[in-house]
Amino acid sequence: EPEVTQTPSHQVTQMGQEVILRCVPISNHLYFYWYRQILGQKVEFLVSFYNNEISEKSEIFDDQFSVERPDGSNFTLKIRSTKLEDSAMYFCARGAAVPGELFFGEGSRLTVL
Amino acid sequence: GESVGLHLPTLSVQEGDNSIINCAYSNSASDYFIWYKQESGKGPQFIIDIRSNMDKRQGQRVTVLLNKTVKHLSLQIAATQPGDSAVYFCAENAAGNQFYFGTGTSLTVIP
Repeated sequence: EPEVTQTPSHQVTQMGQEVILRCVPISNHLYFYWYRQILGQKVEFLVSFYNNEISEKSEIFDDQFSVERPDGSNFTLKIRSTKLEDSAMYFCARGAAVPGELFFGEGSRLTVL
Repeated sequence: GESVGLHLPTLSVQEGDNSIINCAYSNSASDYFIWYKQESGKGPQFIIDIRSNMDKRQGQRVTVLLNKTVKHLSLQIAATQPGDSAVYFCAENAAGNQFYFGTGTSLTVIP
């Protein structure tokens, strides 16, 4: 069983549209991460989130991206104006305070047309 | 910057044989490593980890070896089974909470 559940499993959107991907932890954790994987490529770090704040982000995570935990449970990744190159699998993961085991969800596939 | 690479993009083994998947990393500051298994259409699944103060760690049917001198990591799977067919990634962590993943090795187990 995955440590986190992600919705939607697949979303198709038009270029320029806003997309929100959601992640719900199975149990109460404080550290969350978003990674993405473009088809056939590496899994890439986007952002880490701790105690309702961004703790680290990569150069991929530009102003088009944002994360929040609006209700203390769901952890969301928002892409404000999607581009074709945003098409990828987006994985939410939960982790620990000290870099350690990182457990991934099943992913949300985003297709931008 | 950091980079993690795999020597072999594909590996085919006979069922019951042992598999060895290799990974090279370039950041000598990396001190924590994880091997992941990714089946088609699924998220990466944690297999085993190792910290830089160790050179070997064993799990159930899997062993990870770390050679810091040459910055090399390997995953050994004993008695490979058809269910082991997947893409295997190594990931490294040097500081903070970012992990850098390699490109992956596709393992195919021949029944």
